[in-house]
Formats: sequence, structure tokens, C-alpha cells
Amino acid sequence: GQQVMQIPQYQHVQEGEDFTTYCNSSTTLSNIQWYKQRPGGHPVFLIQLVKSGEVKKQKRLTFQFGEAKKNSSLHITATQTTDVGTYFCAGYGNKLVFGAGTILRVKS
Amino acid sequence: NAGVTQTPKFRILKIGQSMTLQCTQDMNHNYMYWYRQDPGMGLKLIYYSVGAGITDKGEVPNGYNVSRSTTEDFPLRLELAAPSQTSVYFCASTMQIYNEQFFGPGTRLTVL
Repeated sequence: GQQVMQIPQYQHVQEGEDFTTYCNSSTTLSNIQWYKQRPGGHPVFLIQLVKSGEVKKQKRLTFQFGEAKKNSSLHITATQTTDVGTYFCAGYGNKLVFGAGTILRVKS
Repeated sequence: NAGVTQTPKFRILKIGQSMTLQCTQDMNHNYMYWYRQDPGMGLKLIYYSVGAGITDKGEVPNGYNVSRSTTEDFPLRLELAAPSQTSVYFCASTMQIYNEQFFGPGTRLTVL
């Protein structure tokens, strides 16, 4: 069945360093969504990518969708303590499947 | 708009007890979902509904039941609680498939 793998599982960075999480699907996706979950909170939608090779930016966050529409990445430039949380990708093949998430910790 | 609301926020159950987790949305969304999230894990789909009167199983439906009698409400029923059902449960909704999902604040359930 459709699987979405996300790496790394955990990353601890110094404030100001960059951070990247990667998402890989076993099947071609119709679109991919990214969510952020703060500690103790609920997932909150960040962005959706639909087109092959699409790149979108939100301030310090850059999202990419691979040419084959099977992988995606989220890059945060110059992390801040407000970036802490778990970042999930969720891919739509024939259904929406969430990756396991990458936990980001930022040390100030 | 309150968005998606869930009750209760926390609950401790004994093995074999039953309970209903409530979920309500006021956005007139057609699609509603129940997920469970185990520590350090992603979200696993339990059940979903594409509209009032229509429900279907997700990835991990065993031990749960749902109903959707109205557009707004999508309760999740645990009939015979087991320790393996200890988890955080999230309800979510969306207007159309492929759209962003709006999540409720979650219910933290412990089965002892």
C-alpha cells in the first residue's frame, strides 16, 4: 500500500542554523501537504504543493515538490526557537497518508 | 467560528470500559476524519466520512466505531477499551478531498 517515509526522525539544531526534512512516497502523489504540530498541540496546515517541481516559500520556510511527484522537502533558514515542533508531510495518492514526522528542537 | 472542537480533552478508562469521543465542526465541511497519534509517531487514520450518513474504515479501524448523522458531528466510539488504545485522538475536517485539513485540539486517552 501507499507509504510515506520522512527523515530525519529527530533533529536538534542551534538557533540560527538551517533545518531540512525530507519526505518520500512509495507511489506518485496528486499533491503533498505539510503540517506543523507544536509540543502538546494539534497539527496545523502549512502549505500544499500540487505541481511537479513546484517550489513555494513562506518567509524562512521553503517547500519543494519533486519532479516525479514522489518526494518533497521543507527547508527552514536560520531557525528560531518558535520553529520547535514536529513537521509532518502528508501525501495524497489514492488517500492521504501522513509521514511519521520530524521533531525539531532548537537550542538558543 | 469555533472550527473543530473535541471533548473531552483528557480521559482515563479502565480496561473493558466504553466511551464516546465527541467531534463537532461548524465550517459546514463534508469530510471528517478520526486519527490516532501514538508517541513519536505520525497520524494513523481510524475512520472517515465523506458526508452525513456515509462512513468508511481507515488504516486502523479495529476496536472503534463511528456514525455521522449530521454534517457537524462525527463521534468515535470505543466499545471495549484496551491498553493498546492509549493514544491521542484527533478529529479533522475539510470541505473537499485534497484540501487542507483542520484539526481539533485532540483527546488524550489512557487505558489502564
